[in-house]
Amino acid sequence: NAGVTQTPKFQVLKTGQSMTLQCAQDMNHNSMYWYRQDPGMGLRLIYYSASEGTTDKGEVPNGYNVSRLNKREFSLRLESAAPSQTSVYFCASSERGGPYEQYFGPGTRLTVT
Amino acid sequence: GQQLNQSPQSMFIQEGEDVSMNCTSSSIFNTWLWYKQDPGEGPVLLIALYKAGELTSNGRLTAQFGITRKDSFLNISASIPSDVGIYFCAGLPPYSNYQLIWGAGTKLIIKP
Repeated sequence: NAGVTQTPKFQVLKTGQSMTLQCAQDMNHNSMYWYRQDPGMGLRLIYYSASEGTTDKGEVPNGYNVSRLNKREFSLRLESAAPSQTSVYFCASSERGGPYEQYFGPGTRLTVT
Repeated sequence: GQQLNQSPQSMFIQEGEDVSMNCTSSSIFNTWLWYKQDPGEGPVLLIALYKAGELTSNGRLTAQFGITRKDSFLNISASIPSDVGIYFCAGLPPYSNYQLIWGAGTKLIIKP
């Protein structure tokens, strides 16, 4: 039982390049989330998926797109990376929305030069 | 949008000391959560609080949901070296079942 897995762990991009961050969970959770974490700040929600087939914007969605491929997988795409997107990205999942525990993956450390 | 003010930003403590940290907001929350993050890992839930006034313990950790629903406190008793890390509060606002609002974290450091 791996919980939430993320790939890659580290990535360096040049400005303008694109990439997709992958996330998968094996807990049969309905809801999944993408956050970014910047130094000295709390986590900020980029996008979430309340259930398979739905996605919604969070607090900081600009410059990102997401796909809920199936119940297990939720990917985050940067179409044209910018230095402001240098951050640590966390994927999380929960049984459903509301006051349910969110389980986090180990994170992807992304640097855009 | 809503914001959480978490304090202190960092704490230097001696092993064995008790630790207190808190989160405050100008808006109310329906749920308060306390997470711990170790270096290179994602946050892990420590305690969840669901009702105003609720006091909940998890081993040496005790957290309270403020009666006004605008604040929460976390106490750690008799700190040990493995307590080092960053502690985050997070609140679930009344208007969303999905958009947790996070504090900036309290970094706990053990004095050598």
